[in-house]
Amino acid sequence: AQSVAQPEDQVNVAEGNPLTVKCTYSVSGNPYLFWYVQYPNRGLQFLLKYITGDNLVKGSYGFEAEFNKSQTSFHLKKPSALVSDSALYFCAVRDSDTGRRALTFGSGTRLQVQP
Amino acid sequence: KAGVTQTPRYLIKTRGQQVTLSCSPISGHRSVSWYQQTPGQGLQFLFEYFSETQRNKGNFPGRFSGRQFSNSRSEMNVSTLELGDSALYLCASSLAPGSGSYEQYFGPGTRLTVT
Repeated sequence: AQSVAQPEDQVNVAEGNPLTVKCTYSVSGNPYLFWYVQYPNRGLQFLLKYITGDNLVKGSYGFEAEFNKSQTSFHLKKPSALVSDSALYFCAVRDSDTGRRALTFGSGTRLQVQP
Repeated sequence: KAGVTQTPRYLIKTRGQQVTLSCSPISGHRSVSWYQQTPGQGLQFLFEYFSETQRNKGNFPGRFSGRQFSNSRSEMNVSTLELGDSALYLCASSLAPGSGSYEQYFGPGTRLTVT
């Protein structure tokens, strides 16, 4: 069975400071990893993914994430936070087996960026 | 290109009734997945459809069912509604398995309230 852990319910950061949202995962095969963001009363918006290759992946809106296989982590980062980044962030994993494409999500981390 | 559309956006039903939710994927996307989002259980996978066939199913009772049409549009049905079925139901579309594209794109969701 696959699982995702987001250990922080909420992360608070001042505008202009770097931010990190943590994610660790467990999957039987090779992981495909994703970050999504959800704004109030909206669906999930895709930010970035790791499939293979370079451990540092860049995504939308200046976000990036670092894949660490030995620590089974996929932390989301941004060098300089914006107030508009305040939202709910979800990490998700699926197995690389094309027959098993269901995403397993973490519980979400609420990011609050203070002006 | 238009995104994933879901109808209706809001729905109020009474216990024991049934409900049908609709999802139109992004043009060219042939795979549709459904997820349930609740405050207590988070985001949980319901099922995935591709080529009008259910490919994967999550751990939900048989009251939850779905189907996909030849134009890739999908519906999900919940029969004999229970209070615990109150949730945001999210539809996600993606390209066909093996296409080399891995991310799923989510619609805005249908907010179902069961009274």
